[in-house]
Amino acid sequence: DGGITQSPKYLFRKEGQNVTLSCEQNLNHDAMYWYRQDPGQGLRLIYYSQIVNDFQKGDIAEGYSVSREKKESFPLTVTSAQKNPTAFYLCASSIDPLDTQYFGPGTRLTVL
Amino acid sequence: AQKITQTQPGMFVQEKEAVTLDCTYDTSDPSYGLFWYKQPSSGEMIFLIYQGSYDQQNATEGRYSLNFQKARKSANLVISASQLGDSAMYFCATSEASGTYKYIFGTGTRLKVLA
Repeated sequence: DGGITQSPKYLFRKEGQNVTLSCEQNLNHDAMYWYRQDPGQGLRLIYYSQIVNDFQKGDIAEGYSVSREKKESFPLTVTSAQKNPTAFYLCASSIDPLDTQYFGPGTRLTVL
Repeated sequence: AQKITQTQPGMFVQEKEAVTLDCTYDTSDPSYGLFWYKQPSSGEMIFLIYQGSYDQQNATEGRYSLNFQKARKSANLVISASQLGDSAMYFCATSEASGTYKYIFGTGTRLKVLA
């Protein structure tokens, strides 16, 4: 079955700690994305990658970092510099940046 | 600048009736795509339907159809024969080809289907 997986589903972090959210896809898509969603809000783009070893900042990249060493994987690190990291994080992928995006199930991050 | 507007924060519809969710967009690029996604309470975003700016006919996918009015820059989603499982948040989105990558989501409409 092709799809996108995100782990973990729920994540708790203490203030001051970095944490990495996993995103893996087996759809052979070139482009991958990370979004943040706050309660009752729409999606905001954190980072995107159009191809392996390349990524670009989205609208709210401060306090986050990514890597794209493999086509299948696009992990997101939420650093201690992110002032308000508690949110729902969604990963997506698409054949190219203008095509339909397909989403993973999301990771709900809570900072204690 | 590219922009998506969903003016209905919440909608109610009776089971088995049709409902229209509004979406207007603003783009200066002649080539763009329009998308609708459903987000149930579980959180996952589910792709529903796509319309390209050069498509002559309105897109349809099962009970979903996209009422594309290019001159009015609107891309409304029509759900026919509503089911209880249609209760969810619905997001309109657009992609634009010019310049850097741009894929913008609207703020969403929460649909509640009543039995």
